[in-house]
Amino acid sequence: RKEVEQDPGPFNVPEGATVAFNCTYSNSASQSFFWYRQDCRKEPKLLMSVYSSGNEDGRFTAQLNRASQYISLLIRDSKLSDSATYLCVALVGNQFYFGTGTSLTVIP
Amino acid sequence: SAVISQKPSRDICQRGTSLTIQCQVDSQVTMMFWYRQQPGQSLTLIATANQGSEATYESGFVIDKFPISRPNLTFSTLTVSNMSPEDSSIYLCSVSSADPHMSRGYTGELFFGEGSRLTVL
Repeated sequence: RKEVEQDPGPFNVPEGATVAFNCTYSNSASQSFFWYRQDCRKEPKLLMSVYSSGNEDGRFTAQLNRASQYISLLIRDSKLSDSATYLCVALVGNQFYFGTGTSLTVIP
Repeated sequence: SAVISQKPSRDICQRGTSLTIQCQVDSQVTMMFWYRQQPGQSLTLIATANQGSEATYESGFVIDKFPISRPNLTFSTLTVSNMSPEDSSIYLCSVSSADPHMSRGYTGELFFGEGSRLTVL
């Protein structure tokens, strides 16, 4: 079983829509979680860390459910510039485990 | 954030040859990580390069196939040896904000180079 699993999508949403991505992790010892954004042919970049109480950064909200081993990312009022692949990441010890990513395309 | 430069950015190679990828960081780091991202796949850690010691390889990766050098605290190389089409991938160099040399405080952030896109014919 993969350490981190994501729905690969693709998600095609109209501009202004709200979209949610889900991610599950298999190792209950995972201590930290992150969402990274990867644009086409570019390297991944940190979007936000996921705190146990949930956290919000502008239009982006991340939540963690340790009981269900589940992480989510909510994007409100989608912009064209949000089109990218979103990677869910779990940190276990000193190692980062990446999901395969969820592809998002925001359509005008 | 750390600035990481990788060379080459892309290359097309013949089966059976070897390619060395260079990674330069703008600050000293204890650990440098080498990842592979195959088409449609997640990032997979190949090995961790520590200055002054042998690299630590993950399951499925061996030193003979992916020799790594780490001559100082700002530089590392990854060689892909005896290449086959299955080695076609993006290879990414990375450092962590949790590195003992970084005084920024732990944010859990991995900084990546722009990647080296390798195509093996």
